[in-house]
Amino acid sequence: AQTVTQSQPEMSVQEAETVTLSCTYDTSESDYYLFWYKQPPSRQMILVIRQEAYKQQNATENRFSVNFQKAAKSFSLKISDSQLGDAAMYFCAYREYGNKLVFGAGTILRVKS
Amino acid sequence: DTAVSQTPKYLVTQMGNDKSIKCEQNLGHDTMYWYKQDSKKFLKIMFSYNNKELIINETVPNRFSPKSPDKAHLNLHINSLELGDSAVYFCASSQTFPNTGELFFGEGSRLTVL
Repeated sequence: AQTVTQSQPEMSVQEAETVTLSCTYDTSESDYYLFWYKQPPSRQMILVIRQEAYKQQNATENRFSVNFQKAAKSFSLKISDSQLGDAAMYFCAYREYGNKLVFGAGTILRVKS
Repeated sequence: DTAVSQTPKYLVTQMGNDKSIKCEQNLGHDTMYWYKQDSKKFLKIMFSYNNKELIINETVPNRFSPKSPDKAHLNLHINSLELGDSAVYFCASSQTFPNTGELFFGEGSRLTVL
């Protein structure tokens, strides 16, 4: 079974600084998707960034970027210029084509002003 | 316009009761899901329907019964509620083609069983 591991239950970052959230996953597939979802206190699940495994280039979305290491099965999220609104629970997720989305346990991100 | 909407958003009920949560998506997607988020925030899939056909049925008690009257709607009925059913239930949808892999989530329905 596919598993997603987020080894950091909680992280803190100073406003305007950079923080990296870690994620590793286990799969025998070569084609799949990886995601980072954000869940603020409002509990809405918001897609932050998406990566397709066949693409070697790391995805970026404004202040959010990933470091995708396919051989190492690692998918970390870097948040640059952290803002108070970035404070949330962040979930790493894995999905095979046409299959279910499997989530990690989540990392709580606290942003200090 | 809300893309994936769930009702009710909050539900408080007594043990042993039966309750339903409804979900509707207006994105034109062909696949819908129910996820459960427990008190430790862990998200786990329960069911998935593709064009009204059940395609994923994880190990969930028989007291949980999903129903998809059409591809835009997916309801969850829970019989004989237990304390352990207290959780946030998320509905989500996705499109098979073109396949971006992304799931779009509703706002969640917080169920509290007393």
